[in-house]
Amino acid sequence: AQSVSQHNHHVILSEAASLELGCNYSYGGTVNLFWYVQYPGQHLQLLLKYFSGDPLVKGIKGFEAEFIKSKFSFNLRKPSVQWSDTAEYFCAVNGGGSYIPTFGRGTSLIVHP
Amino acid sequence: SAVISQKPSRDICQRGTSLTIQCQVDSQVTMMFWYRQQPGQSLTLIATANQGSEATYESGFVIDKFPISRPNLTFSTLTVSNMSPEDSSIYLCSVEDQGAGTEAFFGQGTRLTVV
Repeated sequence: AQSVSQHNHHVILSEAASLELGCNYSYGGTVNLFWYVQYPGQHLQLLLKYFSGDPLVKGIKGFEAEFIKSKFSFNLRKPSVQWSDTAEYFCAVNGGGSYIPTFGRGTSLIVHP
Repeated sequence: SAVISQKPSRDICQRGTSLTIQCQVDSQVTMMFWYRQQPGQSLTLIATANQGSEATYESGFVIDKFPISRPNLTFSTLTVSNMSPEDSSIYLCSVEDQGAGTEAFFGQGTRLTVV
């Protein structure tokens, strides 16, 4: 069975600070990795995803994530956050022939202007 | 991509009653999923709903408590039956294109409070 751990449950930053949200998964086979974001009052939506190829993935709004297979990690980064990045961020993984994602518990990010 | 409309967006219900949540997709999809998101916790899959067959429930969820309908390829309902305060949560409808690795699309969720 797959599991996803997000180590930072609540993060508070000032604008222009750098962001890194940790995500580790447990599954030994081929995986697909996702970061979803939920802005206040809005749907969950995809931020970025990794299927194969370059382990450094670029997403929307300046976000990126790096897949490190040896560490079973898929950390999300942004060099300079904005107030509008305030949201809930979820890491997710699927694989092993299943397309149903397993989600981490989420990280609440608050960016102060 | 898929656009999902979910309603109601929120409701406050008395314990012992039932609430039916509707999920409408703007395209035909084979698989629809229902999740629960409890405060401070991850999204937990309740069941997978296929058109024309009974839903498949995850461990800890049963049909009597969470009956699901899937009358066609664009619509599904989830009923939360005989509610208790522990059922207070956000319920989310989701769809995916078939095939591993494709992204999931979500409705805006139904915030349920049971009093």
